[in-house]
Amino acid sequence: GAVVSQHPSWVICKSGTSVKIECRSLDFQATTMFWYRQFPKQSLMLMATSNEGSKATYEQGVEKDKFLINHASLTLSTLTVTSAHPEDSSFYICSANSGTFLAKNIQYFGAGTRLSVL
Amino acid sequence: AQSVSQHNHHVILSEAASLELGCNYSYGGTVNLFWYVQYPGQHLQLLLKYFSGDPLVKGIKGFEAEFIKSKFSFNLRKPSVQWSDTAEYFCATGSNTGKLIFGQGTTLQVKP
Repeated sequence: GAVVSQHPSWVICKSGTSVKIECRSLDFQATTMFWYRQFPKQSLMLMATSNEGSKATYEQGVEKDKFLINHASLTLSTLTVTSAHPEDSSFYICSANSGTFLAKNIQYFGAGTRLSVL
Repeated sequence: AQSVSQHNHHVILSEAASLELGCNYSYGGTVNLFWYVQYPGQHLQLLLKYFSGDPLVKGIKGFEAEFIKSKFSFNLRKPSVQWSDTAEYFCATGSNTGKLIFGQGTTLQVKP
């Protein structure tokens, strides 16, 4: 089956530093990747949609300068949390799908990255 | 805007009990509906999906869901749960852009 690898699984950083999270599709080409944020005991909230070779589309309320997304290849998307602050501490999850008909395609999820900002 | 609502936030069952988790969606057009499961420490996995056709959908691990258009519902069921079914369950609806809109999630705890 399709596998999405997310790295790192857990990161602790100091306030003010930047953190990069990688999301890779290991055995398929992901034309579209999605980035979610999950707070404890809450649902996944879509942050942005990332299409290979183009700028990411951010959901309302998500700061694009804060959460930089790059989808440079069909197998890799990165999320960089710039100048992280404690309120950015959360669980970040990526997913990927492929094919022409996005509505019918299934998203494959990474295992998530827990970010703790001190 | 599309939305999904899950009524049960925390469900506790004994092994062999039957399970039904509620999910209601709001959207008047074509619906793509999904149930995902997140086992402790693991990534989300697809249990089942509905796009069209037979409203009773069979998924993995003995789960099924029934799409009832008149009730805007897509409830998840399993006749007999096991301890290994302890997990977080998410109902979701998909849009034509490929986005998934998730419900709040239901924590299922199965006691051995």
